[in-house]
Amino acid sequence: SAVISQKPSRDICQRGTSLTIQCQVDSQVTMMFWYRQQPGQSLTLIATANQGSEATYESGFVIDKFPISRPNLTFSTLTVSNMSPEDSSIYLCSVTLRGGSTETQYFGPGTRLLVL
Amino acid sequence: EDQVTQSPEALRLQEGESSSLNCSYTVSGLRGLFWYRQDPGKGPEFLFTLYSAGEEKEKERLKATLTKKESFLHITAPKPEDSATYLCAVMTTDSWGKLQFGAGTQVVVTP
Repeated sequence: SAVISQKPSRDICQRGTSLTIQCQVDSQVTMMFWYRQQPGQSLTLIATANQGSEATYESGFVIDKFPISRPNLTFSTLTVSNMSPEDSSIYLCSVTLRGGSTETQYFGPGTRLLVL
Repeated sequence: EDQVTQSPEALRLQEGESSSLNCSYTVSGLRGLFWYRQDPGKGPEFLFTLYSAGEEKEKERLKATLTKKESFLHITAPKPEDSATYLCAVMTTDSWGKLQFGAGTQVVVTP
């Protein structure tokens, strides 16, 4: 299994500012994933954070808005830039662990962001 | 286009009243179908991964099954602590590690 922690757990931010969310995993993983969960909605993948290379973004998400760092195999950050109220969401990081021919994907507790 | 649809959107059960949640999917190639439980204010908690039609997995009062088009999560004799939102997600063969989620089913179990 994997234990994932995120900081901060929640924050209230002003429009136009930026927030960096940290994700720490208790084991080394090749890929880490960042998801967004808007109020009352399900999870949507933002990007895949690869160690040693640039993150790959899903359709509708861009690096200027959501820059990602992946300095080592246990840590990643997601920055939400130039925030607007529409960015109010829960941001979650996750990792996929492979055991033989099976996969298990674990999620962190999430960061609740409210933009005023 | 890959799609994941869950039904019903919400389910209210009496304690002990068994029921099933549905997750239908249309994907180019299925690597695995995942079930999660999510409590308010928390991240999704992993329940099961299913890989091939006919596969079944159980955990306490929960049993997940998979066909070529859909998956069911059966809740047997639920208790109030089973109240949560249940999410299903698919991982395709050409997008390892990436999950596409359904909208979820919110389950409320009353004593």
